[in-house]
Amino acid sequence: NAGVTQTPKFQVLKTGQSMTLQCAQDMNHEYMSWYRQDPGMGLRLIHYSVGAGITDQGEVPNGYNVSRSTTEDFPLRLLSAAPSQTSVYFCASNLQGGDYEQYFGPGTRLTVT
Amino acid sequence: GENVEQHPSTLSVQEGDSAVIKCTYSDSASNYFPWYKQELGKGPQLIIDIRSNVGEKKDQRIAVTLNKTAKHFSLHITETQPEDSAVYFCAAHPFSGGYNKLIFGAGTRLAVHP
Repeated sequence: NAGVTQTPKFQVLKTGQSMTLQCAQDMNHEYMSWYRQDPGMGLRLIHYSVGAGITDQGEVPNGYNVSRSTTEDFPLRLLSAAPSQTSVYFCASNLQGGDYEQYFGPGTRLTVT
Repeated sequence: GENVEQHPSTLSVQEGDSAVIKCTYSDSASNYFPWYKQELGKGPQLIIDIRSNVGEKKDQRIAVTLNKTAKHFSLHITETQPEDSAVYFCAAHPFSGGYNKLIFGAGTRLAVHP
């Protein structure tokens, strides 16, 4: 199993550009999440999904969109990038709810200039 | 909503010493408390977790304790080794906060010196 994979590993965007961060898992997990990691702030939940077709907001959802058309994929879209979105983004998946182990991908480092 | 505070932010120990990281949480209904280890350039990885109906859990050199009355939980690493050097995150699962939510602490950077 590859586990949780994320692409790209690094990305530089200009303010106002849009892009999609890709996330895929091959463990047949129903639950998937997107986090951002900023220095001194730990990991903050952006959006999550409890199954194909079902998504919900986390702590910091503004400026991001998600969709879940398949169990395997959970892309994160930045609609109009802002410097405040410069961060490291992690995708995670888990078999059941938030009170079970989450498996994290390797992360995408995004810089918005 | 749930808030998790983690201390210290950095911790430096000599190889073989013990290390303790402490977290406090605000939502008394939180029911699950995992600890994740993040090595440089990688995603976090679960190392141990504890549920609200248990006071202590051990796995070889690591242990977690939970004090529900005081709303705090701690990670204990004994006989530290250089490979324990990493950033450690505690987290809490707020029972009423959404089905897949975890609230993380800010992290502790542990350095183990040979």
